Amino acid sequence: QSALTQPRSVSGSPGQSVTISCTGTSSDVGGYNYVSWYQQHPGKAPKLMIYDVSKRPSGVPDRFSGSKSGNTASLTISGLQAEDEADYYCCSYAGSHVVFGGGTKLTVL
Amino acid sequence: EVQLLESGGGLVQPGGSLRLSCAASGFTFSSYALTWVRQAPGKGLEWVSSISGSRGSTYYADSVKGRFTISRDNSKNTLYLQMNSLRAEDTAVYYCAKNFDWLSYSPFQHWGQGTLVTVSS
Repeated sequence: QSALTQPRSVSGSPGQSVTISCTGTSSDVGGYNYVSWYQQHPGKAPKLMIYDVSKRPSGVPDRFSGSKSGNTASLTISGLQAEDEADYYCCSYAGSHVVFGGGTKLTVL
Repeated sequence: EVQLLESGGGLVQPGGSLRLSCAASGFTFSSYALTWVRQAPGKGLEWVSSISGSRGSTYYADSVKGRFTISRDNSKNTLYLQMNSLRAEDTAVYYCAKNFDWLSYSPFQHWGQGTLVTVSS
């Protein structure tokens, strides 16, 4: 049950786009279309932003999008806003268990 | 409105036990899978355990298997996590989460605010 690999940090200016990668294996990310992404602000509970690779829950802005290619999933945030600054975690089903990525800190410059 | 309220956290000595509870409201409790996720201080999220919404099938991370037990009382709309043989590395904020549907691997749609467990002598 190894954690998925995410960059420790990414940054971008307001209005720009950023992409956060999430690399796993054929036993998790590559094997199932059950990748989700969570946003967490300091001291707060996580919030579901993307599920089933590319679906958005009601209320999540369409600036947030997800995709997957092979064993790597990606979260893209377009039109960056100050409130997007947070930690982001990917998560994948891995057959009888679930695994998270180590998290990526997004800084809006 | 979905609400999840965790309780039962606190300070416990290594080797000790603790039972966490998560009181739920705002949805048909028995129809949904439920999950515990933890976050050690300054660290990332770690999936701990899930219980399905139908037959109550249970799943555990290797790090807690054999020590933790997840259960649910559908008559009380409450989720539990019995934690035994606690170790220092179990120190974390424990979040209760409601899954998207009855499947244990469905995404975690709603989260509680968490309860802190500290394992220390």
